[in-house]
Amino acid sequence: DAKTTQPPSMDCAEGRAANLPCNHSTISGNEYVYWYRQIHSQGPQYIIHGLKNNETNEMASLIITEDRKSSTLILPHATLRDTAVYYCIVRVAWRDDKIIFGKGTRLHILP
Amino acid sequence: ETGVTQTPRHLVMGMTNKKSLKCEQHLGHNAMYWYKQSAKKPLELMFVYSLEERVENNSVPSRFSPECPNSSHLFLHLHTLQPEDSALYLCASSLTGGGNTEAFFGQGTRLTVV
Repeated sequence: DAKTTQPPSMDCAEGRAANLPCNHSTISGNEYVYWYRQIHSQGPQYIIHGLKNNETNEMASLIITEDRKSSTLILPHATLRDTAVYYCIVRVAWRDDKIIFGKGTRLHILP
Repeated sequence: ETGVTQTPRHLVMGMTNKKSLKCEQHLGHNAMYWYKQSAKKPLELMFVYSLEERVENNSVPSRFSPECPNSSHLFLHLHTLQPEDSALYLCASSLTGGGNTEAFFGQGTRLTVV
């Protein structure tokens, strides 16, 4: 079973920042938080991951709370092409080759 | 382009047919995965191969038979499927042995069983 909880859907205006929350209250010390997205009928696309520090790359920023029980994915300037289902995944650090997806958040970018 | 290639992209097969799905990666990864995604459902993990050894078989019916001949190739052999097996089948690969490694997905094979 997925170890994360996400809202089923969100809307965001084009050009604004999209903030997608994720709860992972049972996360343990060596588990990483991963974010993927899936645009309709395509394979999931890796976005970003982190352990406890905030992370930023060319696609997004990941903010992890100090207690690591929740995180937020930030798309700084959302475009229509960011409309997708976003998945937050917790992955055990050592030899966990299972990547378990939950239902994710369906993000609609509004023109 | 993720570096993970799946063929064919679309497949229509009868319930008595035998077919195979192929996945290939040349990213130097040593773990490969099969997922199934039915309409409006989350991705379901089917099989995991790590270092060419099957480490996960997620209660998948025996009409699905995976094969991993080497670390770059993964197959899913299909036989006597049912219409409810129609779905998007996705392959992924990653480096094993740690959570600090992202997985890359192929574009999937859209399977229709008639």
